[in-house]
Amino acid sequence: GAGVSQSPSNKVTEKGKDVELRCDPISGHTALYWYRQSLGQGLEFLIYFQGNSAPDKSGLPSDRFSAERTGGSVSTLTIQRTQQEDSAVYLCASSLASGQGAYEQYFGPGTRLTVT
Amino acid sequence: KNEVEQSPQNLTAQEGEFITINCSYSVGISALHWLQQHPGGGIVSLFMLSSGKKKHGRLIATINIQEKHSSLHITASHPRDSAVYICAVRSQTTNAGKSTFGDGTTLTVKP
Repeated sequence: GAGVSQSPSNKVTEKGKDVELRCDPISGHTALYWYRQSLGQGLEFLIYFQGNSAPDKSGLPSDRFSAERTGGSVSTLTIQRTQQEDSAVYLCASSLASGQGAYEQYFGPGTRLTVT
Repeated sequence: KNEVEQSPQNLTAQEGEFITINCSYSVGISALHWLQQHPGGGIVSLFMLSSGKKKHGRLIATINIQEKHSSLHITASHPRDSAVYICAVRSQTTNAGKSTFGDGTTLTVKP
């Protein structure tokens, strides 16, 4: 079946503009995760959803970042008033659930965001 | 000290060699994840384990919960195994969906 998809694959934006990044998880996966990988850096947790709820928003870097998920499916990560330090690859993953236990995550191809 | 430490940071091997990548962590975990990231960025899940050992093809992952340590082994390595290997842990105490990542091990296998 289809894997996790993300759009756009690449986004170039000017500093100060808002951007929306989209993630379509695998059908039936109730948990959805957003991560960020800056150039040459490791993966950084941003937020995760169980259903439409986000139990843990602790990884969001600032209040310019927000995310929502509707219908237990598609999620949107929004960055307002983008800054150059927001330039990174934003990765989405999904899993069957997120409870304590070994639920494997499936990653999307990422959105490469460049803020000029 | 990071919660998740990987070693080595970089590893170069000749084709056919047996490879071991290590991951040590400092918190109680519910699960540990090994990921592979190829040049170009795509991430593939290799293993998720909470105890014991798992094998898939030439890849073997082990975890020792008491010692807070996991290893990823690659037998008969091949140039196509060249990638960054990332260890991630899910803490028992933090929210169930949050993972903490190691900095990755960059593996280069030469023909």
